[in-house]
Amino acid sequence: SAVISQKPSRDICQRGTSLTIQCQVDSQVTMMFWYRQQPGQSLTLIATANQGSEATYESGFVIDKFPISRPNLTFSTLTVSNMSPEDSSIYLCSVADRGMTNYGYTFGSGTRLTVV
Amino acid sequence: RKEVEQDPGPFNVPEGATVAFNCTYSNSASQSFFWYRQDCRKEPKLLMSVYSSGNEDGRFTAQLNRASQYISLLIRDSKLSDSATYLCVVNQAGNTPLVFGKGTRLSVIA
Repeated sequence: SAVISQKPSRDICQRGTSLTIQCQVDSQVTMMFWYRQQPGQSLTLIATANQGSEATYESGFVIDKFPISRPNLTFSTLTVSNMSPEDSSIYLCSVADRGMTNYGYTFGSGTRLTVV
Repeated sequence: RKEVEQDPGPFNVPEGATVAFNCTYSNSASQSFFWYRQDCRKEPKLLMSVYSSGNEDGRFTAQLNRASQYISLLIRDSKLSDSATYLCVVNQAGNTPLVFGKGTRLSVIA
């Protein structure tokens, strides 16, 4: 199955600053997905990132707050901009894994963000 | 109504017990179904896919009822290491985003 390297694994940031999270996949994938998991909650989709086009954002998430880059088929970044304590969460990238039965999905190890 | 709903949990069971988790989904166009396991402070990891005919992997059995839009997971002979949150997950087709239930926390007690 695909292997995803996600960085950083954790960070503590000052409010008003921005953090860029990177995901590198060891194989080419058409789409990458960015999720957020707030404390005690399940995963919520932020956006879908296609290579060569604008990311598609879910309701409640906007490009100015969560800009995404997808420069090639193995890499994507998510930036959390102008952070506030409400952005404290775990951020995860994911890909559909053709190597897994029934299109199972693989996740990066997550970025635990704390905004102070 | 949420797209994927699960038993609220938590489930606290003794070692060796059998425990069942239930899940319903609202989108009849859903095509793929999964159970994921998430350990504390870790990313979700695929436990098993769920097929219409039902499938088994060791102590784990998954069932799907498309007519009722219902998915289940049965864990037999629970181990301490089974303690985790179990996420019911669906999606419409390959390469589309997964939709997650809120998860059910399982604690297996010695």
